[in-house]
Amino acid sequence: NAGVTQTPKFQVLKTGQSMTLQCAQDMNHEYMSWYRQDPGMGLRLIHYSVGAGITDQGEVPNGYNVSRSTTEDFPLRLLSAAPSQTSVYFCASRPLTGGNTEAFFGQGTRLTVV
Amino acid sequence: GEDVEQSLFLSVREGDSSVINCTYTDSSSTYLYWYKQEPGAGLQLLTYIFSNMDMKQDQRLTVLLNKKDTHLSLRIADTQTGDSAIYFCCSASGGSYIPTFGRGTSLIVHP
Repeated sequence: NAGVTQTPKFQVLKTGQSMTLQCAQDMNHEYMSWYRQDPGMGLRLIHYSVGAGITDQGEVPNGYNVSRSTTEDFPLRLLSAAPSQTSVYFCASRPLTGGNTEAFFGQGTRLTVV
Repeated sequence: GEDVEQSLFLSVREGDSSVINCTYTDSSSTYLYWYKQEPGAGLQLLTYIFSNMDMKQDQRLTVLLNKKDTHLSLRIADTQTGDSAIYFCCSASGGSYIPTFGRGTSLIVHP
């Protein structure tokens, strides 16, 4: 019963490097999203998707790209990392129908950009 | 847009009750959730309440909902050191895909 799986758990990047944070869910959820969590700022929504082939921007999308080619996967790409992107990143998924639509979170990716 | 507000810190003595408060702006919110985040982990659902309920009790947890004032609270009875965590209030309405989270309340339990 995997739920939402994020990889890697930790990553250190140099400024200007690119990387992809992986997120996969096995619950057939339509909705998937990426948040970043910074001290005192709570969770801020980066991008979200309501189904394969559909993505949209959240509150803080600049510097990040996403795609949703399958229901299961929702990778987050940093094209040119900046120190301001040092944060903890969480992927979450939830169903869009069926009443109670609890969100399920991954364990997080701690990213440091030096 | 929708906004969810909660205080950032709460400190209690072990064995006392903790009350974490939350206010939200969308009166059409259908479900209201409390998530718990332990150090180094993701958020996990602690409990939720449907908008047509006033109160929900689950062992040491009591959720109170005042729809008129759009106010939600989480009471933890007999608070233990293992309850130390960040607690997020969250609202979800039928009109939006996106759940709205508060900034989280850090609960510190000291002996």
